[in-house]
Amino acid sequence: DAKTTQPNSMESNEEEPVHLPCNHSTISGTDYIHWYRQLPSQGPEYVIHGLTSNVNNRMASLAIAEDRKSSTLILHRATLRDAAVYYCIPTVSGNTPLVFGKGTRLSVIA
Amino acid sequence: DAMVIQNPRYQVTQFGKPVTLSCSQTLNHNVMYWYQQKSSQAPKLLFHYYDKDFNNEADTPDNFQSRRPNTSFCFLDIRSPGLGDAAMYLCATSRDTPGVLQAEAFFGQGTRLTVV
Repeated sequence: DAKTTQPNSMESNEEEPVHLPCNHSTISGTDYIHWYRQLPSQGPEYVIHGLTSNVNNRMASLAIAEDRKSSTLILHRATLRDAAVYYCIPTVSGNTPLVFGKGTRLSVIA
Repeated sequence: DAMVIQNPRYQVTQFGKPVTLSCSQTLNHNVMYWYQQKSSQAPKLLFHYYDKDFNNEADTPDNFQSRRPNTSFCFLDIRSPGLGDAAMYLCATSRDTPGVLQAEAFFGQGTRLTVV
């Protein structure tokens, strides 16, 4: 499994953009980059995934470095409901289960 | 509507007394997973079923067993719970096909197990 490095914690003001970084320098060419988040007292939930190109969905954007050794999850306008632990998870295709690293705990200040 | 349902949300068991946690899904997904999450830690994979095939993680203690009687249900059995087994237990499902991108996984809300 590719190793990931994420900041232990980050803080953001409400209504401001948040950039959550992830280093995955050992990622292989076929590994996708998934992001999940875990709200307090909830199970993790899918946020977004990508391979090489930047990706957007209703929850967030994912910017992937050209060398694929890092990626950034972008929340365009943080809300209090976005306070959670965010996990960056490289995965291979097929039936490889998700292996969670330590993640980044995001706090959002009103 | 909840798609991955774990019952109960909270379970208290006595030290050494067998306990079973349950998970059901309405998604008809072929893969089901069990994770253990201790306080302030990331979820740790215990095992998963790919269809009927059971896949145990190398470091999952023998004290933990699992059953999947059909596609919809999966159980986690802890034969002799110790104080160190107190944790949140998360069930997840996904629809996976060999050689295809890891599909989105759906998690239940978890069962918080207390051992007294």
